Amino acid sequence: AQTIHQWPVAEIKAVGSPLSLGCTIKGKSSPNLYWYWQATGGTLQQLFYSITVGQVESVVQLNLSASRPKDDQFILSTEKLLLSHSGFYLCAWSLWPGGSQNTLYFGAGTRLSVL
Amino acid sequence: GDSVIQMQGQVTLSENDFLFINCTYSTTGYPTLFWYVQYSGEGPQLLLQVTTANNKGSSRGFEATYDKGTTSFHLQKTSVQEIDSAVYYCAMRARNNNNRIFFGDGTQLVVKP
Repeated sequence: AQTIHQWPVAEIKAVGSPLSLGCTIKGKSSPNLYWYWQATGGTLQQLFYSITVGQVESVVQLNLSASRPKDDQFILSTEKLLLSHSGFYLCAWSLWPGGSQNTLYFGAGTRLSVL
Repeated sequence: GDSVIQMQGQVTLSENDFLFINCTYSTTGYPTLFWYVQYSGEGPQLLLQVTTANNKGSSRGFEATYDKGTTSFHLQKTSVQEIDSAVYYCAMRARNNNNRIFFGDGTQLVVKP
């Protein structure tokens, strides 16, 4: 069975500090990977997606960047946090890249508070 | 362009009431439509997927259908329970847009005992 693990569970960071959030998928090779952001009480906003190692496409940047250093790992980061970065960050994967079964499976999320 | 509109921001019901949440979509081609449920503090979970117009998907007492003519799809449940309290998102996979998935704004369902 496939599992998706996000870390950390929660972060409290200062404005201007760096950030790194991680996501690991186990049990599935070469998945599509995604980062979503959700403001408190808000909808799901897709930030990035990746089809393969070393390749990341940006949908909405929000002064963030993403990388895929390994097949099963997706990293979201920034060098300088803004207050507007606060929210819930969700990693997701899908079965077939661009295929008819492109259902998203989400991780448990990381709650980020920027003060 | 591709989009999903979910108008009901919050729905408050009592236990055993009937639930109906509606979304409309816009896309070219034939979409696949989804309903996701998000419980407090968790990531969204897939609840239902509907791939064919006028066919029903069902799971955990929920049913979903979509009408190609009105480009709308809805989620319903005959008798809601307090444990159904969550945020429900409709979503659409756009075949002609790299199969990208678009989410509605979500409906907060509150079920009172």
